[in-house]
Amino acid sequence: DADVTQTPRNRITKTGKRIMLECSQTKGHDRMYWYRQDPGLGLRLIYYSFDVKDINKGEISDGYSVSRQAQAKFSLSLESAIPNQTALYFCATSDLTRPLSYNEQFFGPGTRLTVL
Amino acid sequence: KQEVTQIPAALSVPEGENLVLNCSFTDSAIYNLQWFRQDPGKGLTSLLLIQSSQREQTSGRLNASLDKSSGRSTLYIAASQPGDSATYLCAVIRGGSNYKLTFGKGTLLTVNP
Repeated sequence: DADVTQTPRNRITKTGKRIMLECSQTKGHDRMYWYRQDPGLGLRLIYYSFDVKDINKGEISDGYSVSRQAQAKFSLSLESAIPNQTALYFCATSDLTRPLSYNEQFFGPGTRLTVL
Repeated sequence: KQEVTQIPAALSVPEGENLVLNCSFTDSAIYNLQWFRQDPGKGLTSLLLIQSSQREQTSGRLNASLDKSSGRSTLYIAASQPGDSATYLCAVIRGGSNYKLTFGKGTLLTVNP
């Protein structure tokens, strides 16, 4: 079984709809991240969380919100989806017990979201 | 602000060739550099992580080097195979970034049989 899973894997929705993307991990990591990937722009950080009580905005948090329901679960919500949120979304985790110089991030398979 | 650049954006080579992918970063105050592989429509697979105190890391046919002072890293792939075809991404964690990765835009590698 994959260590980091994301659901759904693909989603098509309409402008204005509320969408939730979910991420679960079995790696036992405390740190979790949400990124989006756009052609020509690379991966950009949306939100990150270092434990269930710690939520931080990344580079491009406008239009998004997150919830850390448990150590293993981190959800990303689009309150009112718009077409320019069409992208590939990735969840990632890393180990809090590792020193920063050895902070390796592990990624889920991604969710392809299309907003019409 | 940290910027990461990968050159070339795309590379096509015949099977069996040795090749080098390049990554440069503007702020040398990094903690580590990570190389990833991404297959079409799939997630990122971590290939190698080089700590800032290290000069290189090896895994099988892959060798990654790091020259922090010049802001450069290379990923060397020996005896390339068609299965190596993918997009290769490098990313750095810089000091004061609170564990956030800054990514390059990737190099699309095609290995032709």
